[in-house]
Amino acid sequence: EAQVTQNPRYLITVTGKKLTVTCSQNMNHEYMSWYRQDPGLGLRQIYYSMNVEVTDKGDVPEGYKVSRKEKRNFPLILESPSPNQTSLYFCASSRRQIGEAFFGQGTRLTVV
Amino acid sequence: GESVGLHLPTLSVQEGDNSIINCAYSNSASDYFIWYKQESGKGPQFIIDIRSNMDKRQGQRVTVLLNKTVKHLSLQIAATQPGDSAVYFCAETSGGANNLFFGTGTRLTVIP
Repeated sequence: EAQVTQNPRYLITVTGKKLTVTCSQNMNHEYMSWYRQDPGLGLRQIYYSMNVEVTDKGDVPEGYKVSRKEKRNFPLILESPSPNQTSLYFCASSRRQIGEAFFGQGTRLTVV
Repeated sequence: GESVGLHLPTLSVQEGDNSIINCAYSNSASDYFIWYKQESGKGPQFIIDIRSNMDKRQGQRVTVLLNKTVKHLSLQIAATQPGDSAVYFCAETSGGANNLFFGTGTRLTVIP
């Protein structure tokens, strides 16, 4: 089954404690991206990757890092989480830069 | 910055009726549009897309209409079913852009 898998689904952490949200896709897609979803603001892109070792900032990259060492994985790293990073995060992958994107189930992060 | 917005934040329809969800965009350079459906607790799911060289595209029970003159996009759902209850997002991008810009969403509720 074609899917994008994120882990964990839910996470509560404290300010400043580094965390990683993993994302893996099994569709051999080149393009992957991370979004955050906040009430009234819709989905905003954090980072994207057009292929292995090729990543770039989206609209709201501050406070986040990503890496793309393998085609299937695109982890999102928060080196020093802050409460304003409390949000619902989605990873997505697609065959092309634009077009039908497959989204993961989401990770609800709370930073206290 | 450019904005992608929705005319109505909520929409309630009777089961079996047709639904129309509207979306206004302001970037006249946008040339590709996508509608996504997001059910509670899930990630967005691709519904249908349309390029700016078209003004109508049909899928299974869904039709997307694009009016470039007034920068308006709509999603029509025929014979709405309870399973159509979700939040619907329009997203747009322009040629050469690396990301999609999402609207804030419209919540569709189908009344049995």
